[in-house]
Amino acid sequence: RKEVEQDPGPFNVPEGATVAFNCTYSNSASQSFFWYRQDCRKEPKLLMSVYSSGNEDGRFTAQLNRASQYISLLIRDSKLSDSATYLCGVSTDSWGKLQFGAGTQVVVTP
Amino acid sequence: DAGVIQSPRHEVTEMGQEVTLRCKPISGHDYLFWYRQTMMRGLELLIYFNNNVPIDDSGMPEDRFSAKMPNASFSTLKIQPSEPRDSAVYFCASSLPPGQGDSYEQYFGPGTRLTVT
Repeated sequence: RKEVEQDPGPFNVPEGATVAFNCTYSNSASQSFFWYRQDCRKEPKLLMSVYSSGNEDGRFTAQLNRASQYISLLIRDSKLSDSATYLCGVSTDSWGKLQFGAGTQVVVTP
Repeated sequence: DAGVIQSPRHEVTEMGQEVTLRCKPISGHDYLFWYRQTMMRGLELLIYFNNNVPIDDSGMPEDRFSAKMPNASFSTLKIQPSEPRDSAVYFCASSLPPGQGDSYEQYFGPGTRLTVT
């Protein structure tokens, strides 16, 4: 089993709709969690950190479920520009080493 | 503020040649990470440094790969000799140390797209 797993998608979302997807992790000792966005042929860009209490940044909401060992990302009022691959990163040691999932592709359609 | 800088952005080389990739982390970031990304294997961590010292190189595929960080503002990843299966995008990322600001948040450079023929 991989340490960090994501549904590869694609999630095809009509513009204006809401989409949500998860990322599961196997190391119960993991402390830090992140969502990154990666556009085609570009570098991953930090979208948001995921805090224990959950956090929101505009149309994006991230949540952490430690009991079931997954994090989630919800995108409301999807825009065409939200089309990208979303990678989750999970810390695996105290030095800041991250393990990344393979990514979830989101395609927002007009 | 300047982000992570990588060079070259594209590299095409023939099998057997030496390849050197370069990275300049964000000023003040004590951690530097080298990743490789392919369609088949996704984003893989190769090696990372703390204060110029290699902490974990368990992701380095084999002895053909080596990385150095001679000072806080420069790191290299070298492949010698290169093989076609090394073709990938190589990313460098940096972060603050734990306990400082947005620690653990890694910021990626634009990557080097390597093609070995």
